[in-house]
Formats: sequence, C-alpha cells, structure tokens
Amino acid sequence: AQSVSQHNHHVILSEAASLELGCNYSYGGTVNLFWYVQYPGQHLQLLLKYFSGDPLVKGIKGFEAEFIKSKFSFNLRKPSVQWSDTAEYFCAVNARGGGTASKLTFGTGTRLQVTL
Amino acid sequence: KAGVTQTPRYLIKTRGQQVTLSCSPISGHRSVSWYQQTPGQGLQFLFEYFSETQRNKGNFPGRFSGRQFSNSRSEMNVSTLELGDSALYLCASSLAISGGDQYFGPGTRLLVL
Repeated sequence: AQSVSQHNHHVILSEAASLELGCNYSYGGTVNLFWYVQYPGQHLQLLLKYFSGDPLVKGIKGFEAEFIKSKFSFNLRKPSVQWSDTAEYFCAVNARGGGTASKLTFGTGTRLQVTL
Repeated sequence: KAGVTQTPRYLIKTRGQQVTLSCSPISGHRSVSWYQQTPGQGLQFLFEYFSETQRNKGNFPGRFSGRQFSNSRSEMNVSTLELGDSALYLCASSLAISGGDQYFGPGTRLLVL
C-alpha cells in the first residue's frame, strides 16, 4: 500500500517569504499526485495535480510543485506567500491502474501560518 | 455548477446509536468517496462507490458501511457508535474512479457523547 509523508507539521512564515512544503510518498508503481488546501472554515480544495508530462506543475494562486521521481517527492512551492495563504495543506497520492491502491492516500497535513 | 453537498452538517449522537450521513455529488460525477478526518489521524479513506458498487475500501471496521443510489447520491452509515467515531466525515466526488480529480464537500461533523 502507498503512504505519504509530510515532514513539516506547522510552518510559520512572514508575508513575502518563500515557501516550500515537503511531500514524499512510497509506492513502487506509477502514481498521480495532488496538493489540496483547506482554508479556515472552508472545505478541501484542489490546489494542483500531476498525472504525467512536465514534472513542474502550476496550480492556482501562484503555487507550483515539482515531481522528482527518483526522490519520490512532490514538494509544494510559492515564491512569495500572502497572509491569505494561511491554511492547512495536504499532499495526496493514488496509484494508477485501479485496484485497492487507486484509493487517494493523504499525508497528515502541514499547517501554514503567515504573519503580517 | 453546484458543488458537493453533505447533510446534515452537524450531528450529536450517543454511544451505541447509529447514524446515516448523506452526500450529493456534483452533477455528472459518478464516483463518490468517503473520508474520516480527525486531528490525530488526518484524512483516512473509508470507501469509494462508482455506479452503485463499492470499488475500494479502507481499513475501517464493518460498522462503517455505505451505499450509492442510481442518481449517484451516496449514504454512509455507522452503527454502534463509539466515542472514537467523533470526526469530520468528508465526501468527495469525481468523474472517474479514484484516478481523477476529487471535489470535496463541506463535511458532516459528528460528535459522539
């Protein structure tokens, strides 16, 4: 079964600082990768996704993520965070090809707090 | 296009009772997945339904069950509630099974006393 690790549980940044949230997964086969965001009081929203092709994917609100297959990583980045980026961020993975591994597996989440 | 809706939004039950949660997917979406979100365990997959059939199941006891109707609406049932079942239950819909984007509803917050 696949698993997802998010090493940063709580990150505090000042506005305009750069952001990088780590995400590593374990699975031997081909995967789809996702980042979801949950703003305070709101439901989970898809931030960006990687299915195939260019390993550098761009999402909404200036976020991007890079898939590095050799490192089993899919780190989330943003050059300059804003106060409105305060939220919890979840990395998720599922395996292609169906079967039980095709279920979406989430990391434990990283709480990002952006200060003014 | 309306998003995923879940009812009720909040629920208080006592130990031993049972509960049924409802989820209406985005129009045209045929896959519905259910997740349990708790502070300690994060988001954990419960099960996925597609075309009225359970296609995938997580590691939860048999007290957790679900079903999907012909209009793709789904219900989740938890019997013999335990204190540890207190959580936010999220429903997500997608066009395809598992591999596609999932769109989440606001969740049903269940408190078991």
